[in-house]
Amino acid sequence: GAGVSQSPRYKVAKRGQDVALRCDPISGHVSLFWYQQALGQGPEFLTYFQNEAQLDKSGLPSDRFFAERPEGSVSTLKIQRTQQEDSAVYLCASSSQSGTGLINEKLFFGSGTQLSVL
Amino acid sequence: AQKITQTQPGMFVQEKEAVTLDCTYDTSDPSYGLFWYKQPSSGEMIFLIYQGSYDQQNATEGRYSLNFQKARKSANLVISASQLGDSAMYFCAMILIQGAQKLVFGQGTRLTINP
Repeated sequence: GAGVSQSPRYKVAKRGQDVALRCDPISGHVSLFWYQQALGQGPEFLTYFQNEAQLDKSGLPSDRFFAERPEGSVSTLKIQRTQQEDSAVYLCASSSQSGTGLINEKLFFGSGTQLSVL
Repeated sequence: AQKITQTQPGMFVQEKEAVTLDCTYDTSDPSYGLFWYKQPSSGEMIFLIYQGSYDQQNATEGRYSLNFQKARKSANLVISASQLGDSAMYFCAMILIQGAQKLVFGQGTRLTINP
């Protein structure tokens, strides 16, 4: 596709519900990142994929958060038993580079999924 | 570990004036990259400019320039001749070449351009 696509754009969940957020990166991009952005804050790193391999999941806040990228393209971020503190914008970003190549390569971001947990 | 600090929560500037957005960073790693992104109300992060830690000259991209002062660990963004469309959140970010390759963001500065 022309850019990084995320769906849904908005998601309202009741506390305790499971949600799944989808990211379609730019075709051929090997690196994929998920970020969480609370209102008025900068994005916080959640997890990183190089192709289908999840190389870094150090930013996932709890074991309720799970991400996958089974075929090295589309990625899904799943949040189980959602809590109010999970309310945030979830941004996905991709890059054609990986590893040390990322140091001078811009990330392409999607418009995010705004999750509201009631 | 790396840290980015943006000390200006909000900035108000008259149209056509130049504006400087502050960014300081903290890392002991000698190899890193510094980025500025713009986030309009639509939500997506738009790349503006990049500076590598070994680059000798300050980066420029059109109306954007990066005032890189390595000894002071600062990477301020300068926008010349501001326009109404420049109103947005601006984030400074850093990536290290060693260790985890992930972009770490500052808290952001909300820039408002007044007509």
